[in-house]
Amino acid sequence: EAGVTQFPSHSVIEKGQTVTLRCDPISGHDNLYWYRRVMGKEIKFLLHFVKESKQDESGMPNNRFLAERTGGTYSTLKVQPAELEDSGVYFCASSHLNGRGSPLHFGNGTRLTVT
Amino acid sequence: AQSVAQPEDQVNVAEGNPLTVKCTYSVSGNPYLFWYVQYPNRGLQFLLKYITGDNLVKGSYGFEAEFNKSQTSFHLKKPSALVSDSALYFCAVRDIGYNQGGKLIFGQGTELSVKP
Repeated sequence: EAGVTQFPSHSVIEKGQTVTLRCDPISGHDNLYWYRRVMGKEIKFLLHFVKESKQDESGMPNNRFLAERTGGTYSTLKVQPAELEDSGVYFCASSHLNGRGSPLHFGNGTRLTVT
Repeated sequence: AQSVAQPEDQVNVAEGNPLTVKCTYSVSGNPYLFWYVQYPNRGLQFLLKYITGDNLVKGSYGFEAEFNKSQTSFHLKKPSALVSDSALYFCAVRDIGYNQGGKLIFGQGTELSVKP
């Protein structure tokens, strides 16, 4: 099966611009998660979709971040306007909707650089 | 609140020697614990998990982890390290969430360096 796919792999934008990250989960995975890792720091949770619904968005840093998952398939994460501290690697993950024992499957991430 | 801690930022091991990457956890209820590895410019890859049962769980690439309830630890081990094992390792605990699909909460990561 195809893995979790993220696009783009890299993005360099200027402060104040807008960037949209995309994640295609593994087919059939209802759980979709967004995480980010700022250089040298731990992986921080951003939010969790179950199908098209936001189940947990407690990790979203502020209202400059907007995540959507229309139709319960792929998801987008928009940062508008971007700030310098938004630089980092954004990971998407998906898993089956069948219990805490199911591992999350991660994409390769999008490396975002805000200059 | 659920949390995990990895006390070592870096672990250095000689090739062929055993390796241990440490992880301790703090949870309410039964822990669902995971180890992931990240190679450069790649995503996190699942190595192994503990849900219940035997305290020693085996995973990918010859790795295993020992669950110790009294010490609240879940250390990652390998009997004989390879240079290709050099990577970033993350311990994680599964949060309780909707339909048991809660987020993973990660430790800060441990950089493993295996020298020839």
